[in-house]
Amino acid sequence: AQSVSQHNHHVILSEAASLELGCNYSYGGTVNLFWYVQYPGQHLQLLLKYFSGDPLVKGIKGFEAEFIKSKFSFNLRKPSVQWSDTAEYFCAVNPRLSGGYNKLIFGAGTRLAVHP
Amino acid sequence: GAGVSQSPRYKVAKRGQDVALRCDPISGHVSLFWYQQALGQGPEFLTYFQNEAQLDKSGLPSDRFFAERPEGSVSTLKIQRTQQEDSAVYLCASSLGTSGDTQYFGPGTRLTVL
Repeated sequence: AQSVSQHNHHVILSEAASLELGCNYSYGGTVNLFWYVQYPGQHLQLLLKYFSGDPLVKGIKGFEAEFIKSKFSFNLRKPSVQWSDTAEYFCAVNPRLSGGYNKLIFGAGTRLAVHP
Repeated sequence: GAGVSQSPRYKVAKRGQDVALRCDPISGHVSLFWYQQALGQGPEFLTYFQNEAQLDKSGLPSDRFFAERPEGSVSTLKIQRTQQEDSAVYLCASSLGTSGDTQYFGPGTRLTVL
């Protein structure tokens, strides 16, 4: 069965520190890849996505992610975090199986706390 | 425009009760998904509708779970004879098309079964 692993469940950073959240998936075929974010008290929203093309994807709020096919990874990065980045981050994978719909398989999430 | 809405936002049920959770997707969205999110976990796929057709119900945990979308818009997830292990946040998401489109999530319904 396909699965998604997020390496860190909790991350604590100071403002201006750099962020990298790991995500690995287990599926040998073609995939679409996503990072979703859930700010406190809000619903899940899309941060960025990769379908094809340039493996370095830029998203909202200065986030980017790099797809490394050989490592089955899609790590999320931000060079300098802000207090407002405090949230839970979910990596998700959509195996491009026949049928074509966008069923998502999520990781367990990483809670990021940024201290001023 | 309006996003995905879900009701109720919170539901407390006694074990054995039936519950119904509603999802109003974004108008015109063809695809509708239900996910279950247990405490400390990521969302897990339950079922998928393309318009009114339920094309995938492989994630429904038992035959106590039933979902419908009779007119291809509003969807209802029904759980019969609720059990404590059904306690979770139930998320609904919709997308415009059927392949590769962004899923927009609702705020979820937090179900607590006592």
